[in-house]
Amino acid sequence: DIQMTQSPFSLSASVGDRVTITCQASQDINRNLNWYQQKSGKAPKLLIFDASNLETGVPSRFSGSGYATAFTFTISSLQPEDSATYYCQHYYNFPRTFGQGTKLEIK
Amino acid sequence: EVQLVESGGGLVQPGGSLRLSCTASGFTFSNYWMTWVRQAPGKGLVWVANIREDGSEKYYVDSVKGRVTISRDNAKNSLYLQMNSLRAEDTAVYYCVRGRQFFRVWGQGTTVTVSS
Repeated sequence: DIQMTQSPFSLSASVGDRVTITCQASQDINRNLNWYQQKSGKAPKLLIFDASNLETGVPSRFSGSGYATAFTFTISSLQPEDSATYYCQHYYNFPRTFGQGTKLEIK
Repeated sequence: EVQLVESGGGLVQPGGSLRLSCTASGFTFSNYWMTWVRQAPGKGLVWVANIREDGSEKYYVDSVKGRVTISRDNAKNSLYLQMNSLRAEDTAVYYCVRGRQFFRVWGQGTTVTVSS
């Protein structure tokens, strides 16, 4: 199975900050990676697909990049409503696996 | 409105069984792969199983293989997860999700608690 390792496990940042989360795959997954946002008590929401494509309706401050084993998720200017847990997920093969999540807190 | 509504969760004893259901509306159910994803209390997301549009292909995470069966009834716009020999570690919120690669549509989840 492909392992997805996210870092950091948690972070705290201020409104307006640039925030970056990384996700490392245990093997080459091409660009077969998605990013999700999950707010407390809610179902996850797809933000980025195919490593760098912004889902329809998602603010442009969210972006993704990467290829093969190293991926990055960035919020260019943090907003109060971005407080959530963020997950990466590969779809290179079965089983699909998620990263362990990054909990983002707004200072 | 595109919607997925899960049901069937509850409290069950270790070794027991439970059948989860998911009813889809607002889209052509038979055109999509469907997925179950679970989340244990305070933990991360775990992909559980996938089923092809016509039910001809099914995939499972190792931790549930042999105990869990995913199925669907396209005439009823419904997805199912039959869970047997339940263990404490199966305790989680179970989400019904549309898609095979990109998980764009999620239900609200149904809670399964395995405890004596």
